This record gives sequence, structure tokens and C-alpha cells, in this order.
Amino acid sequence: DTGVSQDPRHKITKRGQNVTFRCDPISEHNRLYWYRQTLGQGPEFLTYFQNEAQLEKSRLLSDRFSAERPKGSFSTLEIQRTEQGDSAMYLCASSEAMNTEAFFGQGTRLTVV
Amino acid sequence: GQNIDQPTEMTATEGAIVQINCTYQTSGFNGLFWYQQHAGEAPTFLSYNVLDGLEEKGRFSSFLSRSKGYSYLLLKELQMKDSASYLCAVRSGGSYIPTFGRGTSLIVHP
Repeated sequence: DTGVSQDPRHKITKRGQNVTFRCDPISEHNRLYWYRQTLGQGPEFLTYFQNEAQLEKSRLLSDRFSAERPKGSFSTLEIQRTEQGDSAMYLCASSEAMNTEAFFGQGTRLTVV
Repeated sequence: GQNIDQPTEMTATEGAIVQINCTYQTSGFNGLFWYQQHAGEAPTFLSYNVLDGLEEKGRFSSFLSRSKGYSYLLLKELQMKDSASYLCAVRSGGSYIPTFGRGTSLIVHP
């Protein structure tokens, strides 16, 4: 297993466009997290899945954001009508169980121009 | 909510020892993590504490005092490659979601 994989690594989009990111967790990891990180800050929690169920969403996740994990394996995070304030690194992490450490992917760096 | 506090930046000399502190306020504490993050890269897991005391792993050690809401990461025999951001993350509540502090940027100089 090569670890958590995210695609694309970089995305530049114009304001108002929709973007979708993909995360492939470590196989057999039940929990999958999405975080957002801006320069000089720690990762901020967005949402997490236990298998295919989305169990919690941060209030940071406006109605322009949606995440899915349809078969309990890979996950997608979509941002509709992007705004410049959405520019950030979007990190995905997975863990084997609720009480084990999370492993992070390399992230997708989004730039909205 | 949670409140996690770490120093913003620290500097140290190659070969020395540095201690990075993290204080937190939370309810339903159930674990504290330390991660290392080099610029432009993903955070990588360093250590986990859930009980009071010291956990040692090579050059890195992490300490936890739950009653004081306090942890530290101790880095020994510093190397230039240890220059990175060190993130303290606290897990609490029933959801077991790690919440991260802002991170401490450590600069190691010769």
C-alpha cells in the first residue's frame, strides 16, 4: 500500500467554477477525514466518514461544499461556485479505527483566481 | 469547543535539545497526537499519548499531563532536517476527531 493518495496535487481555477478532488485512503481504513489548511495554520477539520456514512461536518463546510464516499473506499470533495477564500491546501487523512492515528495524503493545493 | 495553544516559532542549534509545548482546553479528552510537517508536504505522524507520562521513540519523546492540559514534544540531537512545523492535535468527544493547533515552526541552524 502506498499510503493515502490525493488527486490532483494542484488545481488552479477561476472564481465561480466548480472543482472536485479525489482521495484514496489506505485500504481497509474505515475512517476518512477531510481537512483544509492555509499558510501558517494547522489543518482545520471539514468532515469525516465512517465507511460510507458521513458522520460529522464542520460549520466551515458551507452549502457550496459536498463530500461523498459512495462505496466506503475513495472519497470526493466538491466545491461549487469557488471563491478566492477557498484557496487552500485540502488534506485527506484515513485511520484504521476511531482510536488510531490518522495518516495524511499529500494534499490538493487549490488556487482560485 | 477546543482551545489548543502552541508557540508560533522556535529556533535551536544543530545537535541541541528542544522542547515544544502544547496546552489545551477540552472536554472528553481521549488522546493527543504530534505530527511533523515539512513545507509543502503532508503532516506525518510522530507520537500519540492518551495516558499521563512520557512516550519515547528514538530521538523524539512526547509527554502528557491530562490534569494540566499540557503536552510537550522533546527533540534530541537536532538535525537540520528537523526544521519543520510541529503540530499538536487533540482528540475529544464521542466522534474521536483530531483537532489541530496552529503548529510550531522549528528552525534548526548550524
